[in-house]
Amino acid sequence: GAGVSQSPSNKVTEKGKDVELRCDPISGHTALYWYRQSLGQGLEFLIYFQGNSAPDKSGLPSDRFSAERTGGSVSTLTIQRTQQEDSAVYLCASSLVSPGLGYNEQFFGPGTRLTVL
Amino acid sequence: DQQVKQNSPSLSVQEGRISILNCDYTNSMFDYFLWYKKYPAEGPTFLISISSIKDKNEDGRFTVFLNKSAKHLSLHIVPSQPGDSAVYFCAASGAGSSNTGKLIFGQGTTLQVKP
Repeated sequence: GAGVSQSPSNKVTEKGKDVELRCDPISGHTALYWYRQSLGQGLEFLIYFQGNSAPDKSGLPSDRFSAERTGGSVSTLTIQRTQQEDSAVYLCASSLVSPGLGYNEQFFGPGTRLTVL
Repeated sequence: DQQVKQNSPSLSVQEGRISILNCDYTNSMFDYFLWYKKYPAEGPTFLISISSIKDKNEDGRFTVFLNKSAKHLSLHIVPSQPGDSAVYFCAASGAGSSNTGKLIFGQGTTLQVKP
């Protein structure tokens, strides 16, 4: 079946511009996560959506970052007034059930490589 | 504060030998530990996990060992194959109804298995 898809695969933008990154999770997966991987670093948690619950935004690095999930499916991560330090690979993951019941495997998309010039 | 650390950025082993990847953590509240494997230009894929109540979990050529007193886990790959060459991430997750399931990742170890 179809996995997690992300678009675009690559995005080059100029400092100060806004960007939108899209994630299509696996159909039926109720939980959706955004992570980012900066050069030489591990994956850093950004934000989590679960059903109609309020998202966990505790990982967002600044108020320039925001995300939404429409209809419990597709999610968009928006970065306003991009800075060079925002350059990273942005990864989306989804999982089947509420992780509050224990660990549930997260399935990752291929990521969007963002380069801010 | 880096809660999950992989202190070896790279490891090179010969095909057929054992690969041992190490990971240390600081938060004793973690309930699950996972290993993910990542090929270039692809997202990480789940490899194996272990609950904090266990000390060993085995799946084919892959075994994860957990030492809670030392806050240390390791991934053993035996025998190593060239296709195992990838970046391996250690990750940890808390548990409980308030937990969102977010994963805390280490920096990754690049494994190269030489034919």
